[in-house]
Amino acid sequence: NAGVTQTPKFQVLKTGQSMTLQCAQDMNHNSMYWYRQDPGMGLRLIYYSASEGTTDKGEVPNGYNVSRLNKREFSLRLESAAPSQTSVYFCASMAQGTGELFFGEGSRLTVL
Amino acid sequence: AQSVTQLGSHVSVSEGALVLLRCNYSSSVPPYLFWYVQYPNQGLQLLLKYTTGATLVKGINGFEAEFKKSETSFHLTKPSAHMSDAAEYFCAVSGGWGQNFVFGPGTRLSVLP
Repeated sequence: NAGVTQTPKFQVLKTGQSMTLQCAQDMNHNSMYWYRQDPGMGLRLIYYSASEGTTDKGEVPNGYNVSRLNKREFSLRLESAAPSQTSVYFCASMAQGTGELFFGEGSRLTVL
Repeated sequence: AQSVTQLGSHVSVSEGALVLLRCNYSSSVPPYLFWYVQYPNQGLQLLLKYTTGATLVKGINGFEAEFKKSETSFHLTKPSAHMSDAAEYFCAVSGGWGQNFVFGPGTRLSVLP
C-alpha cells in the first residue's frame, strides 16, 4: 500500500516563483489536509478538505491555494513564493470512523 | 475552535524512568484527542486516541493517556522509558471527523542511558 504520496520531496525556489505540491492517497479517505512544520511551532494547518468538492482554511492559509481535484488528490499551490514559506510540508488524509490521520513523508521546500 | 498547549518543549528522562508528557486543550465542542509521534526525518504516526467512552486509553509501544474533562488535559505516560522512545511527540485535538485538526507545538523526548 502506498498510503499518502507527496511530490516533490525536495524543492528550492526563488522568491516570487510559483509551484504546486501534489498529494494523493489510495485509502479512499474523504478528508485531506495540508500542514507546514517549522521548528518550535509544531504542525500548523494550512487548508483542509472535508470531502471532495469542499475546502476550508486552517490556521495559516495566507499565500497558499488548494485544489481538491478528486477524492484521491489534494494539491497545494504557492503562487508567489516568499522566504517565510520555507518549511516542511505534510499532506495527510483521515480515516472515516477512526479520525486517524495518515501522513505522507513530507516535502522540504526552501525559498531563497 | 480548538487549540492545544504542551508544557515543555524538551523533556529528558533516564532509561527505565517514567515518561510524562503534558497536553492541555481547549475546544468549543466535545473533543477528539490524539497523540502522534515523529521520528527524525519521518512523517507522524498515531500513538493513541480518545473519541468517546473509556477515558484511559492505551496505545502502541506501552504508552497510555487519560482524558480529564475537568482539567481539559490529555497527558501521555509510559511507565518505563526505552531508548527507542526518543522522538518528538505531538498532542492534537479535533472537533470530529472531517473537521479542523489542530496540533500542539510538540515535545521532544530524550532518553538518557
